[in-house]
Amino acid sequence: QQKVQQSPESLSVPEGGMASLNCTSSDRNFQYFWWYRQHSGEGPKALMSIFSDGDKKEGRFTAHLNKASLHVSLHIRDSQPSDSALYFCAASEPAGGYKVVFGSGTRLLVSP
Amino acid sequence: NSKVIQTPRYLVKGQGQKAKMRCIPEKGHPVVFWYQQNKNNEFKFLINFQNQEVLQQIDMTEKRFSAECPSNSPCSLEIQSSEAGDSALYLCASSLPQISNERLFFGHGTKLSVL
Repeated sequence: QQKVQQSPESLSVPEGGMASLNCTSSDRNFQYFWWYRQHSGEGPKALMSIFSDGDKKEGRFTAHLNKASLHVSLHIRDSQPSDSALYFCAASEPAGGYKVVFGSGTRLLVSP
Repeated sequence: NSKVIQTPRYLVKGQGQKAKMRCIPEKGHPVVFWYQQNKNNEFKFLINFQNQEVLQQIDMTEKRFSAECPSNSPCSLEIQSSEAGDSALYLCASSLPQISNERLFFGHGTKLSVL
């Protein structure tokens, strides 16, 4: 079964610190990746996408993709308490595919 | 603020009862997804639509789950005979056509508790 695995399951960082989240796909058909964030009591909200090898930076967030190893990561610089949430990696097939598979999630806690 | 509107936010049913939840996708989004998120926060894809047509769905062999997205009406997901294992957060998401892998916009979800 196609899966998207995330690590760690939970992560605690101090305010102002760097949080690093990882995601690995077991299926080479998955070429497009999104990171979503879900605060308690809300639905997930898309943070950023990455479709090409290398780094992509958006503000305090940097995503990295290595298609050869099917590994995606998300780094949050200068973490804030408001970043405390569940983070999900989502993978999908190339253009025209409607299958979006979500990872198991990482719970991030940023302590003041 | 979510522009995907899900109702109700909370739904409590007894075992064997019918449970129905609704979703109004974001305006202009023809693609609608339904996911079940369990207490371990794991996502299970249920079904998706483009306009009124089913694109993909899991093997709902139990036939207890049904869904539709009629024109000019909210989409809906219905569980015919609820079971304790159906207790979960049901998330609706909408998107533009997945031509360039558009993001999904989620509603707040309907939290179903089956007693």
